[in-house]
Amino acid sequence: GQNIDQPTEMTATEGAIVQINCTYQTSGFNGLFWYQQHAGEAPTFLSYNVLDGLEEKGRFSSFLSRSKGYSYLLLKELQMKDSASYLCAVVDSNYQLIWGAGTKLIIKP
Amino acid sequence: GAVVSQHPSWVICKSGTSVKIECRSLDFQATTMFWYRQFPKQSLMLMATSNEGSKATYEQGVEKDKFLINHASLTLSTLTVTSAHPEDSSFYICSARTGEPSGANVLTFGAGSRLTVL
Repeated sequence: GQNIDQPTEMTATEGAIVQINCTYQTSGFNGLFWYQQHAGEAPTFLSYNVLDGLEEKGRFSSFLSRSKGYSYLLLKELQMKDSASYLCAVVDSNYQLIWGAGTKLIIKP
Repeated sequence: GAVVSQHPSWVICKSGTSVKIECRSLDFQATTMFWYRQFPKQSLMLMATSNEGSKATYEQGVEKDKFLINHASLTLSTLTVTSAHPEDSSFYICSARTGEPSGANVLTFGAGSRLTVL
């Protein structure tokens, strides 16, 4: 079967750095997305990786290793507004999106 | 950037009534839209793929007679929850591929509709 694993919840301190991991086992791979979802709101796009390596975009970076079935989202200089759920989603061989359950990130002052 | 407009944001209805949720693509055409359902503290569950001018494709376990989807134009898809019951209470979200950035076929989501059935 297809599976996306990410931690259920993480806690970090304002101003610090946090890394949210995502591992996947899917039938084929055509890219990996990270979305941010604030409570009660719809997800918003953060990043897309299809090749191995690190993609940096401001305070957020996303890394992919296809051989290891692994990605992480790195958030730097954490702000209170970064408190949200972070969803990892993989595009499989049929170009279907497989969603992880999301990681709830709690930022403390 | 591309915007997907969804309404209503909140709806409360009595058991047995039907509720329609609209999803519009603004400033772009969406031949395909996706309808998701999300329970508290859970991930998104794809319900169906809405195709303009043809029947929707439903995921396994989703009742097509219960959740009616109509995609009559390139900018509008509707989801009607028929004869709603309390167990249908959920957060419903639509989305469309906007092909940006870099042609990645990113999904842009509507704001979601929170349905509460009394």
